[in-house]
Amino acid sequence: GENVEQHPSTLSVQEGDSAVIKCTYSDSASNYFPWYKQELGKGPQLIIDIRSNVGEKKDQRIAVTLNKTAKHFSLHITETQPEDSAVYFCARREGGRRALTFGSGTRLQVQP
Amino acid sequence: SAVISQKPSRDICQRGTSLTIQCQVDSQVTMMFWYRQQPGQSLTLIATANQGSEATYESGFVIDKFPISRPNLTFSTLTVSNMSPEDSSIYLCSVEGTGDNEQFFGPGTRLTVL
Repeated sequence: GENVEQHPSTLSVQEGDSAVIKCTYSDSASNYFPWYKQELGKGPQLIIDIRSNVGEKKDQRIAVTLNKTAKHFSLHITETQPEDSAVYFCARREGGRRALTFGSGTRLQVQP
Repeated sequence: SAVISQKPSRDICQRGTSLTIQCQVDSQVTMMFWYRQQPGQSLTLIATANQGSEATYESGFVIDKFPISRPNLTFSTLTVSNMSPEDSSIYLCSVEGTGDNEQFFGPGTRLTVL
């Protein structure tokens, strides 16, 4: 599948601040956009996802927004905590294909 | 969600040898995937494994190097054959859930080839 561009590659915030990570894609057939959190030594953990028929989804401190016209989607974490420190990956799945294509990852550091 | 376990969790191997990684799921799933994550990098799909059919490999990955078995709906193996140091990576098993088709990952197998 075509690549997913993810920015920034690293992000450092103070505890309590918000963090935003953005991904862009080019394939208009993409219809599913999950976000994963990967802690050191562990496998990626699905934290939130959004489908192409929805513009925004929220789960407590985490939200994802999707702009299909501009072909980008973003992860928003509010009131960040030190335990939010991890590498975050966006991904996309295009229609007719089951596997995911991943972004390059963002290392988030929340400073206490 | 699905609970996925992988064995071994890590291994150190000599070049030229082979290692078989096992993936066990706590429920029956149709779609299973194997990904590779090189040090500090993102995830790259190796192949898709459906029960009862041959695995489908992505560009750059071949069956002779990464043979896969899928004997039933809860188990799969990935073999890394004739290893070289460039094969040092984390190998991740993933399954597609039966609900809204979310994809879940195992803890990974960290392979170091000397």
